[in-house]
Amino acid sequence: SQTIHQWPATLVQPVGSPLSLECTVEGTSNPNLYWYRQAAGRGLQLLFYSVGIGQISSEVPQNLSASRPQDRQFILSSKKLLLSDSGFYLCAWSRRVGSNQPQHFGDGTRLSIL
Amino acid sequence: AQSVTQPDIHITVSEGASLELRCNYSYGATPYLFWYVQSPGQGLQLLLKYFSGDTLVQGIKGFEAEFKRSQSSFNLRKPSVHWSDAAEYFCAGIYSSASKIIFGSGTRLSIRP
Repeated sequence: SQTIHQWPATLVQPVGSPLSLECTVEGTSNPNLYWYRQAAGRGLQLLFYSVGIGQISSEVPQNLSASRPQDRQFILSSKKLLLSDSGFYLCAWSRRVGSNQPQHFGDGTRLSIL
Repeated sequence: AQSVTQPDIHITVSEGASLELRCNYSYGATPYLFWYVQSPGQGLQLLLKYFSGDTLVQGIKGFEAEFKRSQSSFNLRKPSVHWSDAAEYFCAGIYSSASKIIFGSGTRLSIRP
């Protein structure tokens, strides 16, 4: 069966510090990968998605970047965090075959910026 | 524009009562439809999905959803809710022309003892 792991589960960072959140998927190959942010009491905002190694599409211009160094690894980064980067970050994967594939989510990372 | 709408931001029901959460998709081509549940501090878990065929879809945890083309709706139901069902519920759709999943804004479900 497929599993998705995100870490860390929680993170407290000062403003201006760098960020690296990691997501890995097991039990499948060539997945589509996604990063979402969920602000408190709000819905999901798609940040980045990737259909393959080194292929990243950005949905919202912002202070964040994403990379996919390996097929099942997706990293969310920032060089300098802003207060507005606080939120709940979710990684997700879906099968690449077909256009009707649901997304499967990790447990998320709670990021607090001080 | 393609959209998925959840009209209810917050719903409270009594434990043991029936539940219906509303979801509407924008008129036009029928998307593939999903319901997810998110417990506090957790990721989203897929409850059920509808692609085509039988309009009543069974999911996990005793949930079901009914697709109604005439109403552009895909409402989630449960005959008798349990306190553990308190969570945020998201409806979502994939339009083949967009190939991206579109999430509703979510409905928070509270359970009254």
